[in-house]
Amino acid sequence: GENVEQHPSTLSVQEGDSAVIKCTYSDSASNYFPWYKQELGKRPQLIIDIRSNVGEKKDQRIAVTLNKTAKHFSLHITETQPEDSAVYFCAASRGGGADGLTFGKGTHLIIQP
Amino acid sequence: GAVVSQHPSRVICKSGTSVKIECRSLDFQATTMFWYRQFPKQSLMLMATSNEGSKATYEQGVEKDKFLINHASLTLSTLTVTSAHPEDSSFYICSATRWYQETQYFGPGTRLLVL
Repeated sequence: GENVEQHPSTLSVQEGDSAVIKCTYSDSASNYFPWYKQELGKRPQLIIDIRSNVGEKKDQRIAVTLNKTAKHFSLHITETQPEDSAVYFCAASRGGGADGLTFGKGTHLIIQP
Repeated sequence: GAVVSQHPSRVICKSGTSVKIECRSLDFQATTMFWYRQFPKQSLMLMATSNEGSKATYEQGVEKDKFLINHASLTLSTLTVTSAHPEDSSFYICSATRWYQETQYFGPGTRLLVL
């Protein structure tokens, strides 16, 4: 089955700086890679996703890059703000809507004021 | 929008009893629903995949007789934890997808505490 590794487990950055979280996956058949933000005790919220036919996707301060050859993808958050503090999870699946997600272990992002 | 609800939001039960959790897609028809479990400060682990009108597919290591899943309609899936034990205490979260779309919309989760 799929295995998703995520690093770092904790990331502390100064407000206004950039944050980068990296994930690798093992299943070459995976082609859908979402990122979720989860605040304590709440549901995961989709913040951005990317499919294997695209190398990069951007939505305002958030961007995701995908390297299918190396089987890794990364989340980039620029101009970080205090409300960005949360746990971020990467995930992978074979897509198509019928496959569950395999999640990474999560990154606790702390934005220092 | 794509809103998924869960009920109850939290439940406390005695060891040996059964607990039913409902997952509903409120404004769309969900072809597939998923059930995940999340222990404190850990990641989400897929338990099973549920399609309307057919038997659920369970992940390796998840006991199908202990975690009964029923997907009776395109907007409702239920998870029943049978003969619950303290080690079943966890945060159970469902998600749903629209017809042939990958995006999973998550419910708010159900916190189960078994005494």
